[in-house]
Amino acid sequence: DAGVIQSPRHEVTEMGQEVTLRCKPISGHDYLFWYRQTMMRGLELLIYFNNNVPIDDSGMPEDRFSAKMPNASFSTLKIQPSEPRDSAVYFCASREGREQFFGPGTRLTVL
Amino acid sequence: TQLLEQSPQFLSIQEGENLTVYCNSSSVFSSLQWYRQEPGEGPVLLVTVVTGGEVKKLKRLTFQFGDARKDSSLHITAAQPGDTGLYLCAGARDSNYQLIWGAGTKLIIKP
Repeated sequence: DAGVIQSPRHEVTEMGQEVTLRCKPISGHDYLFWYRQTMMRGLELLIYFNNNVPIDDSGMPEDRFSAKMPNASFSTLKIQPSEPRDSAVYFCASREGREQFFGPGTRLTVL
Repeated sequence: TQLLEQSPQFLSIQEGENLTVYCNSSSVFSSLQWYRQEPGEGPVLLVTVVTGGEVKKLKRLTFQFGDARKDSSLHITAAQPGDTGLYLCAGARDSNYQLIWGAGTKLIIKP
């Protein structure tokens, strides 16, 4: 298995632009998590899905953030409009039992 | 509010020395995990401890879960440069295994 796949690996955009981050979880894993990591705030859970259904989005910072999981093999995290304070590394993870498997992350820079 | 406090936040030592990293909380966890994250990658699970007082060893790494299941420690014997990374603890508070993350300990082992 290739593990959790995220794209793009790096994204540089200008303030006000729409950003879409993509994730393909490990096949068979029924939980999917989106995290954001910064030096100041560490690793923060944004939202997680169980069997493609959003369970808890209380970590989503603002209405500018939205996430979807149209099927078991694909999820997106969208930021519209993006702001400089959204600059961070965004991780997707899927879970088997107690173990979370993380993707390599997307480093987002908003200028 | 940081429910899981990790200490120290940063540690830089020479190869061959021993070290201990701590993860403390006032809350009880059903299980606790330790992850290691290397630059440019996502966190990778090292160990899960479930029973109060449990000790697990992974080569030169020894993990202990406190008797009351509120705290944990990671001890590294004869640290090697390959141990360099960000060490994150994460606690689960219910049978759904949703994790609460510590802020991490950045460890640098100098040759």
